[in-house]
Amino acid sequence: KQEVTQIPAALSVPEGENLVLNCSFTDSAIYNLQWFRQDPGKGLTSLLLIQSSQREQTSGRLNASLDKSSGRSTLYIAASQPGDSATYLCAVRPGTSGSRLTFGEGTQLTVNP
Amino acid sequence: NAGVTQTPKFQVLKTGQSMTLQCAQDMNHEYMSWYRQDPGMGLRLIHYSVGAGITDQGEVPNGYNVSRSTTEDFPLRLLSAAPSQTSVYFCASSPTGYHQPQHFGDGTRLSIL
Repeated sequence: KQEVTQIPAALSVPEGENLVLNCSFTDSAIYNLQWFRQDPGKGLTSLLLIQSSQREQTSGRLNASLDKSSGRSTLYIAASQPGDSATYLCAVRPGTSGSRLTFGEGTQLTVNP
Repeated sequence: NAGVTQTPKFQVLKTGQSMTLQCAQDMNHEYMSWYRQDPGMGLRLIHYSVGAGITDQGEVPNGYNVSRSTTEDFPLRLLSAAPSQTSVYFCASSPTGYHQPQHFGDGTRLSIL
């Protein structure tokens, strides 16, 4: 059974700092990995999608990497801002049952002014 | 283009009552799914559909029923509400193909008394 773990569970940083969020998964047979952002009381906003054949994806200040063989992904946020405060979730689409996502529990990020 | 629309946003029920959570998407996506989000458990798949007339069970299907009569709509029915079904429910959709990103609605916050 695929399991997804995100470390740390919570992170507090000062504004302007570069930071890395971690996601690990137990089964490397995946189609892709998707990073989401969730604001309090809101839905999930897709940030980046990395296919299994890709090593990284970039969008603005965000960069996500994928090492499928080791079961790891990182989300790098450059020059963090208070508006980046949210919970960040990673989800993998398993290769054996590709029609569903398996989620981690998320990292709650607070960026202090 | 409204994306994925969920109604209602909030609902309080009494134990034993039934209700239907609505989900509609206007992107002509074939794949739709329902997740519930609980503290310490992350998001878990309840039911999903790969097209009109086709549904299947996810990780936690007990107590829930779904149908998919059109491409646009995928309602989730609680047959006899229980306090354990207090949760935030999210609907998601994506185009056909495992390499496509999933899009989420804003959620329905459900309390069962």
